[in-house]
Amino acid sequence: QVQLQESGPGLVRPSETLSLICAVSGYSINSAYYWGWIRQPPGKGLEWIGTISHSGSSYYNPSLKSRVTISVDTSKNQFSLKLSSVTAADTAVYYCARTYVYYPFDYWGQGTLVTVSS
Amino acid sequence: DIQMTQSPSSLSASVGDRVTITCRASQSISSYLNWYQQKPGKAPKLLIYVASSLQSGVPSRFSGSGSGTDFTLTISSLQPEDFATYYCHQSYSTPGTFGPGTKVDIK
Repeated sequence: QVQLQESGPGLVRPSETLSLICAVSGYSINSAYYWGWIRQPPGKGLEWIGTISHSGSSYYNPSLKSRVTISVDTSKNQFSLKLSSVTAADTAVYYCARTYVYYPFDYWGQGTLVTVSS
Repeated sequence: DIQMTQSPSSLSASVGDRVTITCRASQSISSYLNWYQQKPGKAPKLLIYVASSLQSGVPSRFSGSGSGTDFTLTISSLQPEDFATYYCHQSYSTPGTFGPGTKVDIK
């Protein structure tokens, strides 16, 4: 059974960098598929942040592209999200999930709430 | 970016009702449309992919249809566990945009 688990700080200061890791179990991240990040501000809808392939090809939402980096660590079977220069508008539950080209997000992590506040 | 809209934004229904939710894309997305169910405090759950394929383990009362720009999600007989928010999602192009959601609650 494929499982994903997000981890990282729950509180980030404004202007700093948000960093999250998604640990994958039950499937080798090096085999295939793409791996993505989605976020959901409290009480609002879902926003696609970006995806990365097992080989490192990445795709980002243009609205966040200048601030986002997604990377993959096949040796640890995990991938990560970095979002720089955060503001209160980046406060959200961040989800990691599995996907592929033209494919939905079929396995999701439970989500982690990140609050941006001083 | 492809814009996704959903209607209605919310609806009230009773157990046993037939419920239909509509999703529209701002341009053709072929059949690359997915539907998710989300309950409070939980991650979204994939119900339907490529417009009409039922994800493994999802009850057959859920069905999807459509192609191009117009799509529907139908719940044939609403059950108590179906009260949730439903999102459509296009995976035709990046960024893979989501609809704003449709909240289904108890009448």
